[in-house]
Amino acid sequence: EAEVAQSPRYKITEKSQAVAFWCDPISGHATLYWYRQILGQGPELLVQFQDESVVDDSQLPKDRFSAERLKGVDSTLKIQPAELGDSAMYLCASSILAVDTQYFGPGTRLTVL
Amino acid sequence: RKEVEQDPGPFNVPEGATVAFNCTYSNSASQSFFWYRQDCRKEPKLLMSVYSSGNEDGRFTAQLNRASQYISLLIRDSKLSDSATYLCVVIGNQFYFGTGTSLTVIP
Repeated sequence: EAEVAQSPRYKITEKSQAVAFWCDPISGHATLYWYRQILGQGPELLVQFQDESVVDDSQLPKDRFSAERLKGVDSTLKIQPAELGDSAMYLCASSILAVDTQYFGPGTRLTVL
Repeated sequence: RKEVEQDPGPFNVPEGATVAFNCTYSNSASQSFFWYRQDCRKEPKLLMSVYSSGNEDGRFTAQLNRASQYISLLIRDSKLSDSATYLCVVIGNQFYFGTGTSLTVIP
């Protein structure tokens, strides 16, 4: 069964450092999402791509977060500089179409010290 | 007002019990609805879609009430393995997740 791949699975960094997360969606899925999930809360959408274009990044803190999906396949989410409040699980998901079922990767658990 | 609201629980029920969760949404134009299951420190996984006519998958039944703007999930004959957090998802102009309802099934 095809899966969404994410790396790294865990990342510990110090505040003010830069971190990057990678996501490879299920082959053929045009829509890719990055979410942040704080413990005890539901996932919060950070950015949505349709192919290589950003469809929604209204909740992305653009002063420190950036995301790209240059060739419309895999994607990178970057945080620079990281802050203590960024500690969370970062989930990537993909779907065939924007209103379809989303399939999630295993996530990257970020701890900022 | 939040787009999607869920009772966070926790719900602690004995094995074999029937338990129901509700989730309300604010956008009457919302198009699609889902229930996801999330185990501790794992990613959410699709449990089932929710259709206007209601749908059933084994011990799980999902229903949509558009007039009152809520969806529900009913679990019959609860198993220990049902212990997880259940997230409702509503698609309006984007994907909105509820905060999740925690269920623990007790032996």
